[in-house]
Amino acid sequence: GIQVEQSPPDLILQEGANSTLRCNFSDSVNNLQWFHQNPWGQLINLFYIPSGTKQNGRLSATTVATERYSLLYISSSQTTDSGVYFCAVADDYKLSFGAGTTVTVRA
Amino acid sequence: GAVVSQHPSRVICKSGTSVKIECRSLDFQATTMFWYRQFPKQSLMLMATSNEGSKATYEQGVEKDKFLINHASLTLSTLTVTSAHPEDSSFYICSATPGTSGRETQYFGPGTRLLVL
Repeated sequence: GIQVEQSPPDLILQEGANSTLRCNFSDSVNNLQWFHQNPWGQLINLFYIPSGTKQNGRLSATTVATERYSLLYISSSQTTDSGVYFCAVADDYKLSFGAGTTVTVRA
Repeated sequence: GAVVSQHPSRVICKSGTSVKIECRSLDFQATTMFWYRQFPKQSLMLMATSNEGSKATYEQGVEKDKFLINHASLTLSTLTVTSAHPEDSSFYICSATPGTSGRETQYFGPGTRLLVL
C-alpha cells in the first residue's frame, strides 16, 4: 500500500502564529484529504485536494502531485486549532492515513 | 454538507458479549462504507470496506468472523464485534462515500468508543 509520512509529529504554537504541516506519499494518488481530529475524536474534513491549491478561511492546502507531497497551512492560529491533523491518501478507494501531526496552540 | 452518524457513541460491555455499532449516512446514499479502528495516540487503520448488498472486504489481519459487517441499505452499515474481549477495546469510526471510484470525499462518523471489561 501507499506509505504516508507526516511532519512534524508535534507542533507547539503561540496563539496568532502561522505554521505549515507536511504530508509526503510514496505513490500516485487519486484522493488526498486533510482532517482535523478534535479532542472528542470526531474527524473534521478540511480539504479534499488530490492536486492544486485550496483555501478555507485561515486554512489553506497545496498538493503537488508530481512531487508527491501536500502542505497544510494554518495562519493566525487559535486555541481551537489544537488537535491532531491527519493526511490520508488513496490510489483506489481505500484511504491510508499518516501518523498525524499533534498541534497545540497556547494562549 | 454530508453527515454521517454512529450509534452508540460509547459502549461498555462484559467480555464474551457481542456489540453492534450502526453507521448511517443521513443526507446522501452511500454506495461504499468503511470501518476503521483507532487505538489511543495512534492513527486510523482500515478494517474493512462494505458495499451495499454485497459481502464486505476485510483488510489483512482482520478476522471476518469476529467483526461482522452488514451493509443492508444505501444509508446503513453495521459492525458487530462478536464475543468481545478486552483487546477489542478501541475507538471504531465509520466513513461513507457516495461513489466507488475513490475520487470522492469520504465523510466520517463521530466514532464509537468500545470498552470491554
